[in-house]
Amino acid sequence: GAGVSQSPSNKVTEKGKDVELRCDPISGHTALYWYRQSLGQGLEFLIYFQGNSAPDKSGLPSDRFSAERTGGSVSTLTIQRTQQEDSAVYLCASRGRSGGPPDTQYFGPGTRLTVL
Amino acid sequence: ELKVEQNPLFLSMQEGKNYTIYCNYSTTSDRLYWYRQDPGKSLESLFVLLSNGAVKQEGRLMASLDTKARLSTLHITAAVHDLSATYFCAYYGQNFVFGPGTRLSVLP
Repeated sequence: GAGVSQSPSNKVTEKGKDVELRCDPISGHTALYWYRQSLGQGLEFLIYFQGNSAPDKSGLPSDRFSAERTGGSVSTLTIQRTQQEDSAVYLCASRGRSGGPPDTQYFGPGTRLTVL
Repeated sequence: ELKVEQNPLFLSMQEGKNYTIYCNYSTTSDRLYWYRQDPGKSLESLFVLLSNGAVKQEGRLMASLDTKARLSTLHITAAVHDLSATYFCAYYGQNFVFGPGTRLSVLP
């Protein structure tokens, strides 16, 4: 079946501009995560949505970062007034019980953000 | 602070050799995950370990979990070039916490 999709796959922007990154999770998955991965580094947790509960925003690095999840499905991560240090790959993952090992996260291909 | 450490961070090994990657985590958890990431690609789930003493094997990779020692291992048997990738462990507390990754290169 369809996996997690993200768009765009690559985004180049100028410092100070706003960007929106989109994630389409696997259908039926109630949990959705955003992570950031800088070059050669591990994953940094950003935000977590679970069903209709209030999101866990504890990983967002600054108030320039925000995310929403509409209708319990698609999520958008917004970065305002981008800075060069925001350059990274932004990964989305979803988790649910639609088959496969329990509690496994399924990752999307990522959006590579470059801030010039 | 919730932490996950991996050892080694970089590993270069010859084809046919065996090696073990270690994953230590800082808090009680009975869920441990291993992922593989190829260069320029996203993460792929390898193993989910859900209880103390759990052992899972897939091909040349075997993962185990010791929740009392807060330690998971990923053992590689008779390595082949196709196993070259970065391997991440992660535990689940309130959220997933990832280790820094072990970059494995298998040389012919």
